[in-house]
Amino acid sequence: DAGVIQSPRHEVTEMGQEVTLRCKPISGHDYLFWYRQTMMRGLELLIYFNNNVPIDDSGMPEDRFSAKMPNASFSTLKIQPSEPRDSAVYFCATKRSAGRLISGNTIYFGEGSWLTVV
Amino acid sequence: TQLLEQSPQFLSIQEGENLTVYCNSSSVFSSLQWYRQEPGEGPVLLVTVVTGGEVKKLKRLTFQFGDARKDSSLHITAAQPGDTGLYLCAGAPQGGSEKLVFGKGMKLTVNP
Repeated sequence: DAGVIQSPRHEVTEMGQEVTLRCKPISGHDYLFWYRQTMMRGLELLIYFNNNVPIDDSGMPEDRFSAKMPNASFSTLKIQPSEPRDSAVYFCATKRSAGRLISGNTIYFGEGSWLTVV
Repeated sequence: TQLLEQSPQFLSIQEGENLTVYCNSSSVFSSLQWYRQEPGEGPVLLVTVVTGGEVKKLKRLTFQFGDARKDSSLHITAAQPGDTGLYLCAGAPQGGSEKLVFGKGMKLTVNP
């Protein structure tokens, strides 16, 4: 299996520019999560989808952030306009429905997109 | 808001030493997971504990879930340089929510 694939791996952009991060989930996984990781706040859940439908976006910091999942094979996280405080590592993670097996609740993370806004 | 506090936050030890990492909360979780994250990579799941008091072993790593399902510990015996990384605990809230709560992690460095 190819794992969760994220792009770009690194991006440096100027304040005010639009940033689009991309994610290809593991085939057959029906949950997709977008996380942000910083030294100060650790890993924070931004939004998650189930069967391509956004379920909970309460972690999205503000209206500058938006996420879409047009199909089961692709998701984007967009920041417009970007600000220096958005600098972080953004992770996409996916999992298959665990059903009643709590112990089967394994989430697979991508390698992350390292964003620097200057 | 549910929080998971990890301690210590940083630890630098010599190869062969033992260590314990703690993950504490005032909230009850239906399950708790431990991840290891290496530089430049995403977190990788090590173990999931579900039952209060449960102990799981993974080679030199021993994981324990507190009786009240509010806390957990990770003990590493005879640490190796390959154990270096960021260790994260994550709790699954009761009620079936998919929103895992992550601790900030414990950064471990094992020196040869």
